[in-house]
Amino acid sequence: DIVLTQSPGTLSLSPGERATLSCRASRRITIRSLAWYQQRSGQPPRLLIEGASNRATGIPDRFSGGGSGTDFTLTISRLEPQDSAVYYCHQLGNLPQTFGQGTTVEIK
Amino acid sequence: QVQLQESGSGLVKPSETLSLACTVSGASMNNYFWNWIRQAPGKGLEWIGYFSYSRSTNYNPSLRSRVTISADMSKNQISLRLSSVTAADTAMYYCARSSFSAADLWGHGTLVTVSS
Repeated sequence: DIVLTQSPGTLSLSPGERATLSCRASRRITIRSLAWYQQRSGQPPRLLIEGASNRATGIPDRFSGGGSGTDFTLTISRLEPQDSAVYYCHQLGNLPQTFGQGTTVEIK
Repeated sequence: QVQLQESGSGLVKPSETLSLACTVSGASMNNYFWNWIRQAPGKGLEWIGYFSYSRSTNYNPSLRSRVTISADMSKNQISLRLSSVTAADTAMYYCARSSFSAADLWGHGTLVTVSS
């Protein structure tokens, strides 16, 4: 199985700051099969980024994804209070599909 | 508007079989993968398996011996059966539509508790 390791575990930042979240894969994965999700408390995950860098429909351009091979990042520029959530990376290209353990973003 | 709605037994006794259904409304089931994903309380996401548009299935090896995912395309519904459940199977169960690049649509989830 491909293990996805997310770091840091928790980010505590102020509104307007920039958040950089990391997702490292135990083996190389194809760019098109790496996604990022936001999960607010009590809600299902919401797709933010697919294909490593393509924003999903309706996602503001404050959210951006990048990376390749084994190292991927999600950047949230200009944090807003509603960005408080857990963020997961997900690889679909190698079965079984796997998720990272999540990064919690707290807004001060 | 495409929606996914999970339904099924919220309380299952240990050693029994968990049965859930996911109804797809507003779209065809063709050309996508239809996944079951679960999340234990306070934990991360675990992929259980999928039923694909080509009528094939694929399961997480960690659950393969206990899982069956099937579909009734005429009813736009996918089903999950998980046998011999234990407390470790207590979780929120989500159905989700995916392509090769992402799970773009999720149901709200249904909480299943395993307890006698």
